[in-house]
Amino acid sequence: AQSVTQLGSHVSVSEGALVLLRCNYSSSVPPYLFWYVQYPNQGLQLLLKYTSAATLVKGINGFEAEFKKSETSFHLTKPSAHMSDAAEYFCAVSEGLIKAAGNKLTFGGGTRVLVKP
Amino acid sequence: DTAVSQTPKYLVTQMGNDKSIKCEQNLGHDTMYWYKQDSKKFLKIMFSYNNKELIINETVPNRFSPKSPDKAHLNLHINSLELGDSAVYFCASSDDREPMGGYTFGSGTRLTVV
Repeated sequence: AQSVTQLGSHVSVSEGALVLLRCNYSSSVPPYLFWYVQYPNQGLQLLLKYTSAATLVKGINGFEAEFKKSETSFHLTKPSAHMSDAAEYFCAVSEGLIKAAGNKLTFGGGTRVLVKP
Repeated sequence: DTAVSQTPKYLVTQMGNDKSIKCEQNLGHDTMYWYKQDSKKFLKIMFSYNNKELIINETVPNRFSPKSPDKAHLNLHINSLELGDSAVYFCASSDDREPMGGYTFGSGTRLTVV
């Protein structure tokens, strides 16, 4: 069974500082990993995804994430936080498209990012 | 030109009522999903349909009944609403031709049961 753990339900950073959001996963097969962002009262938007190509993945809005198999991690970073980065961030794992089981994404509990001026 | 649209956006209703939430996608995707997001922001899959066929049915009370009249629509009907059903319900879709493309989400339906 697949699962995701996000360390820290809240992260507070100063504008211009590094953003680091931690995600560890558990999967019985090589996983596919995703980061989504949710702004207040909106749906989830895909930030980036890892699908077994490059281990360092670049996404939208200056975010990137690195897949580390040995650590079963997929941490999300952004070098310089902007006020507009304040949102909820979700890490998710999928074990692939298995028709019988569906393309099921399992989400972590989310991390709320607060950006201080 | 909304990709995944849900209606209504807000729904306030009394316990015991029956209500439906509708979802439509214009992306040509084959698979659609319903997720529930609770008050702590935790997201959990409820159902998925592939070309009108039920694929995933998680442990969900049978008061919840999804219906997919065609592959572009997936509706959620809830009978005998309870206080614990209050949550945000998200519809999503994905493309079988791009299995790891991730989901496209709707903007959610905030259900409040009073």
